Amino acid sequence: EDQVTQSPEALRLQEGESSSLNCSYTVSGLRGLFWYRQDPGKGPEFLFTLYSAGEEKEKERLKATLTKKESFLHITAPKPEDSATYLCAVQASRSNSGYALNFGKGTSLLVTP
Amino acid sequence: SQTIHQWPATLVQPVGSPLSLECTVEGTSNPNLYWYRQAAGRGLQLLFYSVGIGQISSEVPQNLSASRPQDRQFILSSKKLLLSDSGFYLCAWSGAGGETQYFGPGTRLLVL
Repeated sequence: EDQVTQSPEALRLQEGESSSLNCSYTVSGLRGLFWYRQDPGKGPEFLFTLYSAGEEKEKERLKATLTKKESFLHITAPKPEDSATYLCAVQASRSNSGYALNFGKGTSLLVTP
Repeated sequence: SQTIHQWPATLVQPVGSPLSLECTVEGTSNPNLYWYRQAAGRGLQLLFYSVGIGQISSEVPQNLSASRPQDRQFILSSKKLLLSDSGFYLCAWSGAGGETQYFGPGTRLLVL
């Protein structure tokens, strides 16, 4: 059974204090690993897709990396507007589930001025 | 560009009442469509997915049902709501190849 575990559950950072969020996963054949950002009361917003170990993607202050067992979302010099819940999800290569996503519970990030 | 709509945004319903939530997608054809539920303290849980008109697959046994009457319309229904049906319901779409899923704004459902 596919499993996705995110840590920490919550993280509080000072503005400018860099850190990383972790997503550990087990899946029978990884098709893709996805990172989303979710603001309170809103739907998740797509950030990145990673497909193979060693791959990295960047967007502004965010950088996502992937190994065979986990992914990291690195946040460099965060700003208060980066405060949100960050969700990780895996997609298995089998097609009998419409390529549905299996989500972790998320990391709630608060960046204070 | 593609957009996804959900309505209503918020709904308060009594136990035992029926439910109908609607999701529509614009700017794409033959999308895969998904219904997820997000409950407090839990991750997003896939409820239903559809790869075409009239084709619905259920991932979790429950008193909810889904239908896809048109290519870009996905409806979530219930004949009798339970307290446990409360949550944040999210619709998502992807291309037919099932790559990245894009989510709608969600519907907050409170069953009293």
